[in-house]
Amino acid sequence: AQTVTQSQPEMSVQEAETVTLSCTYDTSESDYYLFWYKQPPSRQMILVIRQEAYKQQNATENRFSVNFQKAAKSFSLKISDSQLGDAAMYFCAYRSADFGNEKLTFGTGTRLTIIP
Amino acid sequence: NAGVTQTPKFRVLKTGQSMTLLCAQDMNHEYMYWYRQDPGMGLRLIHYSVGEGTTAKGEVPDGYNVSRLKKQNFLLGLESAAPSQTSVYFCASRGRPSSYNEQFFGPGTRLTVL
Repeated sequence: AQTVTQSQPEMSVQEAETVTLSCTYDTSESDYYLFWYKQPPSRQMILVIRQEAYKQQNATENRFSVNFQKAAKSFSLKISDSQLGDAAMYFCAYRSADFGNEKLTFGTGTRLTIIP
Repeated sequence: NAGVTQTPKFRVLKTGQSMTLLCAQDMNHEYMYWYRQDPGMGLRLIHYSVGEGTTAKGEVPDGYNVSRLKKQNFLLGLESAAPSQTSVYFCASRGRPSSYNEQFFGPGTRLTVL
Protein backbone atom coordinates (compact mmCIF):
# COMPACT_ATOMS: atom_id res chain seq x y z
CA ALA A 1 0.00 0.00 0.00
CA GLN A 2 1.14 3.50 -0.72
CA THR A 3 1.91 5.86 2.12
CA VAL A 4 2.58 9.59 2.18
CA THR A 5 4.60 11.18 4.96
CA GLN A 6 4.80 14.83 5.87
CA SER A 7 7.32 15.09 8.69
CA GLN A 8 6.78 18.76 9.48
CA PRO A 9 3.50 19.27 11.39
CA GLU A 10 4.10 23.03 11.50
CA MET A 11 6.24 25.53 9.65
CA SER A 12 6.52 29.30 9.77
CA VAL A 13 8.10 31.82 7.44
CA GLN A 14 8.51 35.57 7.31
CA GLU A 15 6.39 37.34 4.74
CA ALA A 16 8.23 37.66 1.40
CA GLU A 17 10.66 34.87 2.29
CA THR A 18 10.88 31.38 0.82
CA VAL A 19 9.78 28.19 2.55
CA THR A 20 9.99 24.52 1.60
CA LEU A 21 7.53 21.89 2.76
CA SER A 22 8.67 18.27 2.72
CA CYS A 23 6.83 15.19 1.51
CA THR A 24 8.02 11.64 1.02
CA TYR A 25 6.04 8.70 -0.23
CA ASP A 26 6.38 4.99 -0.52
CA THR A 27 5.27 3.06 -3.58
CA SER A 28 6.33 0.17 -5.78
CA GLU A 29 4.65 1.69 -8.81
CA SER A 30 6.49 3.49 -11.59
CA ASP A 31 3.68 5.67 -12.88
CA TYR A 32 1.65 7.90 -10.59
CA TYR A 33 0.57 11.45 -9.85
CA LEU A 34 1.56 13.69 -6.98
CA PHE A 35 -0.33 16.71 -5.73
CA TRP A 36 -0.07 19.51 -3.22
CA TYR A 37 -3.38 20.76 -1.84
CA LYS A 38 -3.91 23.88 0.26
CA GLN A 39 -6.59 24.01 2.94
CA PRO A 40 -7.16 27.52 4.33
CA PRO A 41 -9.31 28.16 7.42
CA SER A 42 -12.37 28.08 5.16
CA ARG A 43 -11.70 24.30 4.86
CA GLN A 44 -11.93 24.30 1.07
CA MET A 45 -9.28 22.03 -0.45
CA ILE A 46 -7.54 23.85 -3.29
CA LEU A 47 -5.10 22.26 -5.70
CA VAL A 48 -1.77 24.11 -5.64
CA ILE A 49 0.38 22.10 -7.99
CA ARG A 50 0.60 18.64 -9.56
CA GLN A 51 3.32 16.43 -10.98
CA GLU A 52 3.24 13.36 -13.19
CA ALA A 53 5.86 10.79 -12.24
CA TYR A 54 7.00 10.16 -15.81
CA LYS A 55 7.84 13.82 -16.32
CA GLN A 56 11.41 14.73 -15.42
CA GLN A 57 10.75 18.45 -15.29
CA ASN A 58 9.64 19.88 -11.98
CA ALA A 59 6.22 21.54 -12.05
CA THR A 60 5.91 25.28 -11.45
CA GLU A 61 2.85 27.44 -10.86
CA ASN A 62 3.73 31.10 -10.33
CA ARG A 63 5.31 31.33 -6.83
CA PHE A 64 4.90 27.60 -6.20
CA SER A 65 7.34 24.99 -7.44
CA VAL A 66 8.20 21.42 -6.58
CA ASN A 67 11.40 19.46 -6.25
CA PHE A 68 10.47 15.98 -7.48
CA GLN A 69 13.10 13.35 -6.77
CA LYS A 70 11.67 10.08 -8.09
CA ALA A 71 14.48 7.81 -6.97
CA ALA A 72 14.37 9.27 -3.47
CA LYS A 73 10.53 9.29 -3.49
CA SER A 74 10.53 12.90 -2.42
CA PHE A 75 8.14 15.66 -3.49
CA SER A 76 8.79 18.95 -1.72
CA LEU A 77 6.90 22.21 -2.26
CA LYS A 78 8.69 25.53 -2.41
CA ILE A 79 6.76 28.73 -1.87
CA SER A 80 8.61 31.85 -2.94
CA ASP A 81 7.80 35.41 -1.86
CA SER A 82 5.44 34.12 0.85
CA GLN A 83 2.23 36.09 1.28
CA LEU A 84 -0.23 36.30 4.17
CA GLY A 85 -2.78 34.49 2.03
CA ASP A 86 -0.49 31.45 1.86
CA ALA A 87 -1.23 30.65 5.51
CA ALA A 88 -3.02 27.29 5.50
CA MET A 89 -2.67 23.55 5.96
CA TYR A 90 -0.81 21.97 3.07
CA PHE A 91 -1.40 18.35 2.13
CA CYS A 92 0.72 16.19 -0.12
CA ALA A 93 -1.20 13.47 -1.98
CA TYR A 94 -0.44 10.46 -4.15
CA ARG A 95 -2.53 8.74 -6.78
CA SER A 96 -1.69 5.68 -8.83
CA ALA A 97 -1.89 6.01 -12.61
CA ASP A 98 -3.45 2.53 -12.83
CA PHE A 99 -6.85 2.67 -14.49
CA GLY A 100 -9.52 1.88 -11.93
CA ASN A 101 -7.43 2.83 -8.91
CA GLU A 102 -9.31 5.79 -7.54
CA LYS A 103 -7.62 6.14 -4.18
CA LEU A 104 -5.99 9.49 -3.42
CA THR A 105 -3.65 8.98 -0.46
CA PHE A 106 -3.00 12.06 1.66
CA GLY A 107 -0.27 12.91 4.12
CA THR A 108 -1.13 14.28 7.55
CA GLY A 109 -0.51 17.88 6.54
CA THR A 110 1.80 20.78 7.41
CA ARG A 111 0.38 23.91 8.97
CA LEU A 112 2.09 26.95 7.46
CA THR A 113 2.10 30.25 9.35
CA ILE A 114 3.17 33.47 7.67
CA ILE A 115 4.79 36.01 9.98
CA PRO A 116 4.11 39.63 8.95
CA ASN B 1 -20.58 27.58 -12.27
CA ALA B 2 -20.81 26.59 -8.58
CA GLY B 3 -18.36 23.66 -8.81
CA VAL B 4 -18.88 21.15 -6.00
CA THR B 5 -21.43 21.99 -3.32
CA GLN B 6 -22.31 20.15 -0.12
CA THR B 7 -25.45 20.21 2.01
CA PRO B 8 -25.59 20.77 4.96
CA LYS B 9 -22.49 22.66 6.14
CA PHE B 10 -22.92 21.67 9.78
CA ARG B 11 -24.95 19.03 11.58
CA VAL B 12 -25.22 17.63 15.08
CA LEU B 13 -26.68 14.15 15.55
CA LYS B 14 -27.39 11.94 18.49
CA THR B 15 -26.02 8.40 18.56
CA GLY B 16 -28.26 6.11 16.55
CA GLN B 17 -29.82 8.81 14.39
CA SER B 18 -29.58 8.70 10.62
CA MET B 19 -28.83 11.37 8.06
CA THR B 20 -27.87 11.92 4.46
CA LEU B 21 -25.22 14.29 3.15
CA LEU B 22 -25.76 15.62 -0.35
CA CYS B 23 -23.01 16.43 -2.81
CA ALA B 24 -23.76 18.13 -6.12
CA GLN B 25 -21.46 19.09 -8.98
CA ASP B 26 -22.23 21.08 -12.11
CA MET B 27 -19.09 20.22 -14.10
CA ASN B 28 -20.53 17.09 -15.74
CA HIS B 29 -17.87 15.02 -14.00
CA GLU B 30 -17.96 11.23 -14.20
CA TYR B 31 -16.18 10.48 -10.93
CA MET B 32 -17.31 11.47 -7.46
CA TYR B 33 -15.84 10.77 -4.02
CA TRP B 34 -16.60 11.02 -0.32
CA TYR B 35 -13.76 11.59 2.16
CA ARG B 36 -13.56 12.13 5.87
CA GLN B 37 -10.97 14.29 7.61
CA ASP B 38 -10.06 13.70 11.25
CA PRO B 39 -7.67 15.75 13.42
CA GLY B 40 -4.02 14.95 12.75
CA MET B 41 -4.85 12.85 9.72
CA GLY B 42 -5.13 13.42 6.03
CA LEU B 43 -8.32 12.82 4.11
CA ARG B 44 -9.42 9.21 3.85
CA LEU B 45 -11.62 7.85 1.08
CA ILE B 46 -14.97 6.43 2.23
CA HIS B 47 -16.75 5.55 -1.03
CA TYR B 48 -16.56 6.63 -4.61
CA SER B 49 -18.43 6.38 -7.90
CA VAL B 50 -17.08 6.13 -11.44
CA GLY B 51 -20.40 6.96 -13.06
CA GLU B 52 -24.15 7.24 -12.64
CA GLY B 53 -25.56 4.15 -10.97
CA THR B 54 -22.17 2.87 -9.75
CA THR B 55 -20.56 2.92 -6.32
CA ALA B 56 -17.47 1.34 -4.80
CA LYS B 57 -15.84 1.07 -1.38
CA GLY B 58 -12.87 3.14 -0.44
CA GLU B 59 -10.49 2.92 2.48
CA VAL B 60 -12.95 3.38 5.38
CA PRO B 61 -16.45 2.37 4.16
CA ASP B 62 -17.90 0.77 7.30
CA GLY B 63 -20.97 2.51 8.71
CA TYR B 64 -21.68 4.45 5.50
CA ASN B 65 -23.75 3.89 2.39
CA VAL B 66 -23.82 5.88 -0.84
CA SER B 67 -25.96 6.29 -3.91
CA ARG B 68 -25.42 7.89 -7.31
CA LEU B 69 -28.84 7.97 -8.94
CA LYS B 70 -28.04 11.07 -10.96
CA LYS B 71 -24.71 11.95 -12.52
CA GLN B 72 -24.53 15.29 -10.76
CA ASN B 73 -25.37 14.04 -7.25
CA PHE B 74 -23.61 11.72 -4.81
CA LEU B 75 -25.30 10.98 -1.49
CA LEU B 76 -23.59 9.74 1.67
CA GLY B 77 -25.80 8.08 4.26
CA LEU B 78 -25.27 7.23 7.90
CA GLU B 79 -27.93 4.73 8.98
CA SER B 80 -27.07 4.69 12.69
CA ALA B 81 -24.61 7.41 13.62
CA ALA B 82 -21.83 6.71 16.12
CA PRO B 83 -19.49 9.14 17.93
CA SER B 84 -16.60 7.69 15.88
CA GLN B 85 -18.23 9.23 12.82
CA THR B 86 -17.69 12.75 14.17
CA SER B 87 -15.58 14.27 11.42
CA VAL B 88 -15.45 16.73 8.57
CA TYR B 89 -16.75 15.19 5.36
CA PHE B 90 -15.57 16.28 1.94
CA CYS B 91 -17.01 15.49 -1.43
CA ALA B 92 -14.91 15.69 -4.59
CA SER B 93 -15.34 15.11 -8.29
CA ARG B 94 -13.23 14.81 -11.42
CA GLY B 95 -13.77 14.39 -15.12
CA ARG B 96 -12.79 11.43 -17.29
CA PRO B 97 -9.15 10.38 -16.94
CA SER B 98 -6.95 13.16 -18.15
CA SER B 99 -3.30 13.94 -17.97
CA TYR B 100 -3.70 15.50 -14.55
CA ASN B 101 -6.59 13.73 -12.90
CA GLU B 102 -7.32 16.65 -10.63
CA GLN B 103 -10.07 16.26 -8.05
CA PHE B 104 -12.21 19.28 -7.21
CA PHE B 105 -13.40 19.48 -3.63
CA GLY B 106 -16.51 20.82 -1.96
CA PRO B 107 -16.39 23.07 1.13
CA GLY B 108 -16.96 20.26 3.62
CA THR B 109 -19.62 19.28 6.16
CA ARG B 110 -18.78 19.28 9.84
CA LEU B 111 -20.68 16.47 11.56
CA THR B 112 -20.79 15.97 15.31
CA VAL B 113 -22.30 12.82 16.79
CA LEU B 114 -23.10 13.06 20.48
